[in-house]
Amino acid sequence: QKEVEQNSGPLSVPEGAIASLNCTYSDRVSQSFFWYRQYSGKSPELIMSIYSNGDKEDGRFTAQLNKASQYVSLLIRDSQPSDSATYLCAGYGGATNKLIFGTGTLLAVQP
Amino acid sequence: KAGVTQTPRYLIKTRGQQVTLSCSPISGHRSVSWYQQTPGQGLQFLFEYFSETQRNKGNFPGRFSGRQFSNSRSEMNVSTLELGDSALYLCASSTHNEQYFGPGTRLTVT
Repeated sequence: QKEVEQNSGPLSVPEGAIASLNCTYSDRVSQSFFWYRQYSGKSPELIMSIYSNGDKEDGRFTAQLNKASQYVSLLIRDSQPSDSATYLCAGYGGATNKLIFGTGTLLAVQP
Repeated sequence: KAGVTQTPRYLIKTRGQQVTLSCSPISGHRSVSWYQQTPGQGLQFLFEYFSETQRNKGNFPGRFSGRQFSNSRSEMNVSTLELGDSALYLCASSTHNEQYFGPGTRLTVT
């Protein structure tokens, strides 16, 4: 099993809908997780961090961490075409406790 | 507060040459990490520096090296460039756990 796994997508949602992005992680990854948004040709931008079990909300974004099931998700409410990007999940882990990224999920919000 | 800056933004080099990339972290951040991003491999960790010491290293050959200066600015060097080194090289600075990326350096090796 990869340390951090994401479905590559694309995930297509209509404008105004809720986009749900998921990420699973192995035992080798710690409990601190991060969501980055990366537009095509740009660098990743940190949008959410979550350290404890449960939900964390910031504007239209909600991050959810479920330690028992080893998954972390990102919900985007009222999706906009400007949310179309690749979303990267990351967590600290491995033998040297470095930040490990998933391969990213491409989100396409259809107008 | 100014963000992470990287120079140059774009670079074209020939196989066999070497290249040096520079990164200036966010003011107050003492940790700098470097990543290589390619379409096929995604984001791959190169190394991390903290207070001028390499604290972590990824699985890259010795042609890839880095250093950090006393002002926390960092450089990475790639020697004997190969075609496969063409990638977006990203620098991220951090304090505590959250890493913030610079705009990256797009390296093309011909």
